[in-house]
Order: sequence, then structure tokens, then C-alpha cells
Amino acid sequence: GAGVSQTPSNKVTEKGKYVELRCDPISGHTALYWYRQSLGQGPEFLIYFQGTGAADDSGLPNDRFFAVRPEGSVSTLKIQRTERGDSAVYLCASSLGGNTIYFGEGSWLTVV
Amino acid sequence: DQQVKQNSPSLSVQEGRISILNCDYTNSMFDYFLWYKKYPAEGPTFLISISSIKDKNEDGRFTVFLNKSAKHLSLHIVPSQPGDSAVYFCAAHLPPGKLIFGQGTTLQVKP
Repeated sequence: GAGVSQTPSNKVTEKGKYVELRCDPISGHTALYWYRQSLGQGPEFLIYFQGTGAADDSGLPNDRFFAVRPEGSVSTLKIQRTERGDSAVYLCASSLGGNTIYFGEGSWLTVV
Repeated sequence: DQQVKQNSPSLSVQEGRISILNCDYTNSMFDYFLWYKKYPAEGPTFLISISSIKDKNEDGRFTVFLNKSAKHLSLHIVPSQPGDSAVYFCAAHLPPGKLIFGQGTTLQVKP
């Protein structure tokens, strides 16, 4: 498709398990972002990639969270030892570097 | 520290009238601002943006106004339509690549 694609769309996991969330940005977009949104809140910045490198990872809440973008296209957000507080919608976005940033539909993570 | 604030959690307007959504910010380093619309169970949809060096940008029924001295921006929707009912987020871009969002305003347009 032409938009930002995220998989899985829904994930239910047990506390303590490891989770990977995948993002396929719009073709040709060099910038990729991960955000997290909890109920009733605006999206919260996690990490920003320019190409393959993480240009800003200041939003990652702790060292259980890690993201990679090895070839400058697809990105994976990895969460270790999940906690119930990690339950949220994880949003990925991409841009060409201009002032228009497009979001995917999100991956709904529930930790039980 | 909430750098971007949308102080009205909800707004209700009649179809055909103007909807005005407001947003305040505190950081002078933001270089552009964006508005997103979000339906339940969907990702945010980009609506319109404005550079910090401009004071107005218009796209069809949507106009964004920026008042830098007041650190305030607003989104005007004219005329409002029932399909505009959604949550609207204001976001500010902090170079090199961080978007900071407000809490959102739920707009209801009544037929």
C-alpha cells in the first residue's frame, strides 16, 4: 500500500514476555518515528530515525525499549520484559524530512 | 512539563458553522506546527501544517493561524461537516525530528 504499514495491528502478551512491533514506512521516506499513545492522551515521542541511525532516542522510557532500522526502511520496536504499563497504541510515522509527517494505523499492545 | 496544550477537551458546533480549535505552546524553538485528525481505532491523519515564519496557511475548509507573540495557534474549519467529528491533535516540531503533541480536542459537529 501507499501508506505507513504497521504489524501486528493487535497484540496481547503476558507480562514479562518479549514483543516486536514492525513498521514499514512510505517508500522513499528517510525519516521514521515511533510514538506511543495511551487512552485520553496525545501521542508521546519515543524515537526518531534519519536513515539507519537513531537521531533522537530521548523518548524511550527505559532500557527495556529498543528500536532498529538496519537498512533505512523497515523499523522494529522491541520491548523486553513487558509490563502492564506498556499497554498502549504504538504509532509509527514517516516523512521525507519536510513538514508533513504521516502516521500508520498503530499497533495496539495489551499486556496482561 | 506540557510544552503543547489544548485546553479544551471538547467542542460541539452545528453543521455549517465554524469550528475553532485552539492550541498553546511554550517552546520558542518549535519550527513548524501540524494539526492531525484522529478517528477511533485509526492512526492520526495529517490535516495541515504551518511554518513558524508564517502566520496563516489555508487548505480548502481548513485554515491554521499562528500568533508567535502569544505562542498560540488555531485551526478553523469552515463550514463544519458531521464527518469532521473526531479528535483533533495539535503538534509542534522540535528540530531535528521530535513532534510534541497536545492532549487533543474532541470535536462534535451536529447535523
